[in-house]
Amino acid sequence: LAKTTQPISMDSYEGQEVNITCSHNNIATNDYITWYQQFPSQGPRFIIQGYKTKVTNEVASLFIPADRKSSTLSLPRVSLSDTAVYYCLVGVDDNYGQNFVFGPGTRLSVLP
Amino acid sequence: DVKVTQSSRYLVKRTGEKVFLECVQDMDHENMFWYRQDPGLGLRLIYFSYDVKMKEKGDIPEGYSVSREKKERFSLILESASTNQTSMYLCASSPLSTGYGYTFGSGTRLTVV
Repeated sequence: LAKTTQPISMDSYEGQEVNITCSHNNIATNDYITWYQQFPSQGPRFIIQGYKTKVTNEVASLFIPADRKSSTLSLPRVSLSDTAVYYCLVGVDDNYGQNFVFGPGTRLSVLP
Repeated sequence: DVKVTQSSRYLVKRTGEKVFLECVQDMDHENMFWYRQDPGLGLRLIYFSYDVKMKEKGDIPEGYSVSREKKERFSLILESASTNQTSMYLCASSPLSTGYGYTFGSGTRLTVV
């Protein structure tokens, strides 16, 4: 069964850089890796997406190694408002065909 | 901005009731999805649809059905609600099937008593 893993939780302080890694051993060849942010009582919100190497936008960077079996979301200089749960989403090939799987989510707590 | 609107934020229903959760998107997306989210279990796909009148089972379709009569509307139906269906339900839409740019609604927290 396809499995996507992330650390359950992370703590950080304001102003630090935070890196959250998602492991996805059986990622589908042609699919993107997407990251979402979720605040309590809200739906997940799109942050960033990439296929390989590095992608950067105004809120985050995404690093993807050549084998694409993992990806790292990088949040520069976090603030208290970045406290949320972060999910990766990948397409995976498993015994049931192609499937899109969310990671279990990483709860980031930013402390003052 | 793409908007995905779920008809209710909070809903309380009795065991055995038929429950309809409605979702509407305004960006002409082909794909729509229903997830449920439970503590410790993350986001699990119930059903999805790639086109009007098309539906595909996700990971946990048992006890649910869906309807997509119009492109912008995707309904989740609990035929006979049970207490183990108490959960947060999230609707999403996207222009492609690859997980690109899912936009989620705010969620419906359903409690079955």
